[in-house]
Amino acid sequence: DTAVSQTPKYLVTQMGNDKSIKCEQNLGHDTMYWYKQDSKKFLKIMFSYNNKELIINETVPNRFSPKSPDKAHLNLHINSLELGDSAVYFCASSHPPEADTQYFGPGTRLTVL
Amino acid sequence: GNSVTQMEGPVTLSEEAFLTINCTYTATGYPSLFWYVQYPGEGLQLLLKATKADDKGSNKGFEATYRKETTSFHLEKGSVQVSDSAVYFCALRVGGGADGLTFGKGTHLIIQP
Repeated sequence: DTAVSQTPKYLVTQMGNDKSIKCEQNLGHDTMYWYKQDSKKFLKIMFSYNNKELIINETVPNRFSPKSPDKAHLNLHINSLELGDSAVYFCASSHPPEADTQYFGPGTRLTVL
Repeated sequence: GNSVTQMEGPVTLSEEAFLTINCTYTATGYPSLFWYVQYPGEGLQLLLKATKADDKGSNKGFEATYRKETTSFHLEKGSVQVSDSAVYFCALRVGGGADGLTFGKGTHLIIQP
């Protein structure tokens, strides 16, 4: 029973393409997140989203957009992919009162050629 | 802004050695502090956390104490095992709502038999 799942696990694509990464959580959490981990393992928050607010890290290009069809899903859409977008992307979720504890998915390794 | 500084790695130790991984932070407000661990090829797992000053988080033999006076949250283990080899991330979170985690750059720990 995977708590936070992501698909695909690996994604290889060409520059300029548009792609999506899906995230689903079965924990009943109301807040979901996307993080980017670069080649040096540095993790950075991209988006936080619950049914009340979307918080966007100001450094994230507007080619990236989160889409939430329902409370259990937060998908990441990326337009016009660039070489620098190559990274591992992690989805996470949390829920009050333990909102401090975030549960991470296994990650999606995106390679842009 | 918020930031987390960890000691640079990799850190290489022999099995049964004592481990310390230093972590200091700067934060606007009163953060909760975390250690996450990432095993090779996997996502992040919460190792331990502390939500207020002088709290001690502990799990699997690892400990860290929230020191407000020194703005630190150093990770320690008395006797490491080969299976502890992983990347360890110190992180903080300030505020409520949908705020994400701010991570340090990670410390790669290698335990040799």
